[in-house]
Amino acid sequence: QQQVKQSPQSLIVQKGGIPIINCAYENTAFDYFPWYQQFPGKGPALLIAIRPDVSEKKEGRFTISFNKSAKQFSLHIMDSQPGDSATYFCAASNPLTGGGNKLTFGTGTQLKVEL
Amino acid sequence: DTGVSQDPRHKITKRGQNVTFRCDPISEHNRLYWYRQTLGQGPEFLTYFQNEAQLEKSRLLSDRFSAERPKGSFSTLEIQRTEQGDSAMYLCASSLGGATEAFFGQGTRLTVV
Repeated sequence: QQQVKQSPQSLIVQKGGIPIINCAYENTAFDYFPWYQQFPGKGPALLIAIRPDVSEKKEGRFTISFNKSAKQFSLHIMDSQPGDSATYFCAASNPLTGGGNKLTFGTGTQLKVEL
Repeated sequence: DTGVSQDPRHKITKRGQNVTFRCDPISEHNRLYWYRQTLGQGPEFLTYFQNEAQLEKSRLLSDRFSAERPKGSFSTLEIQRTEQGDSAMYLCASSLGGATEAFFGQGTRLTVV
């Protein structure tokens, strides 16, 4: 049973556009929701993370919106650049398992930012 | 470089051979995780250590897989009698405490031929 569903699978935007990637989760015990960026042949790198006590978090050009009642969260990338072209993964963890950092990942979104 | 280090970066092995991967976490991090990532998928949890103790293992970790973290520092992941289905990227991550940032290494890409 997939516990974190991510969409879309792929996304193409123009430079300066605002790609939005969505995730939905099922396990209400999840309380930490990070987003990771991964380039080909590299490990995932943490971009930004949120906890359910806030509805939005911004770090630089990256914003997470969180809707606890709907069990959904999304990543917005402002003023997207070709260098943002990568695969993005949402994830979630339950504080009671895996030492609190056993991450359940979505299936990923391949983003391409065109000039 | 003070990040998570994994060795080797790439490994090609014949089916039936044993392979061992190494992970060196960020030095003060007491928690260490192994994940497996197949092409086009997100990483999947394999196992987790707190210091030297292996506290949780996924059902994905068959009896051909074994992981250790002697002295609570580096960790090794061994796969015995490799199968083609073991071909994947094996990722290591570490964190300081729970529910904090987990930092991933570059991964070891295993190809079983």
